[in-house]
Amino acid sequence: RKEVEQDPGPFNVPEGATVAFNCTYSNSASQSFFWYRQDCRKEPKLLMSVYSSGNEDGRFTAQLNRASQYISLLIRDSKLSDSATYLCVVNRSRGNTPLVFGKGTRLSVIA
Amino acid sequence: GAVVSQHPSRVICKSGTSVKIECRSLDFQATTMFWYRQFPKQSLMLMATSNEGSKATYEQGVEKDKFLINHASLTLSTLTVTSAHPEDSSFYICSAGALETQYFGPGTRLLVL
Repeated sequence: RKEVEQDPGPFNVPEGATVAFNCTYSNSASQSFFWYRQDCRKEPKLLMSVYSSGNEDGRFTAQLNRASQYISLLIRDSKLSDSATYLCVVNRSRGNTPLVFGKGTRLSVIA
Repeated sequence: GAVVSQHPSRVICKSGTSVKIECRSLDFQATTMFWYRQFPKQSLMLMATSNEGSKATYEQGVEKDKFLINHASLTLSTLTVTSAHPEDSSFYICSAGALETQYFGPGTRLLVL
């Protein structure tokens, strides 16, 4: 079993749709959680960190459930520019340590 | 904000040659940098941890004699793919941390013919 597992993609949605991504992680000692966005042939870029209390940034809402080791990302009112691969990412410890990446879920927002 | 650069961004080489990739932290010092590799439609996979002034730490299955890492200063780590073969063709990305945030370089796309 992979340490970070995500929904298999791709997700093809119309503009304005709400889309949800799910992710589970297997290492219960994981400390930090993130969603990254990766555009085709580019490096990953931090979208948002994820906290147990849930956090929102504009149209994006992230949730963490430590008990079930589950992370989610909700995108409301999808835009064409949201088309990308969304990576669920976990850090096993705090501080400057390497990240563990999920395989990513491809999102295509269609006009 | 913090920026990490990589050079070159793209390289095409013949099988058997060696390729050096540089990773620089531009406005902060990084005692530790990480090298990842991403094959098409796959996750980024950690290859090694580059430590300034000491030997790199390699992940299981990554050959240290094939992927040479040198972290000679607080702002520069290099990855050399020695005797590259077509199966080494991949997207190589470095990262460096400042506090609890990892910053990624733009990546180097390697194609070995």
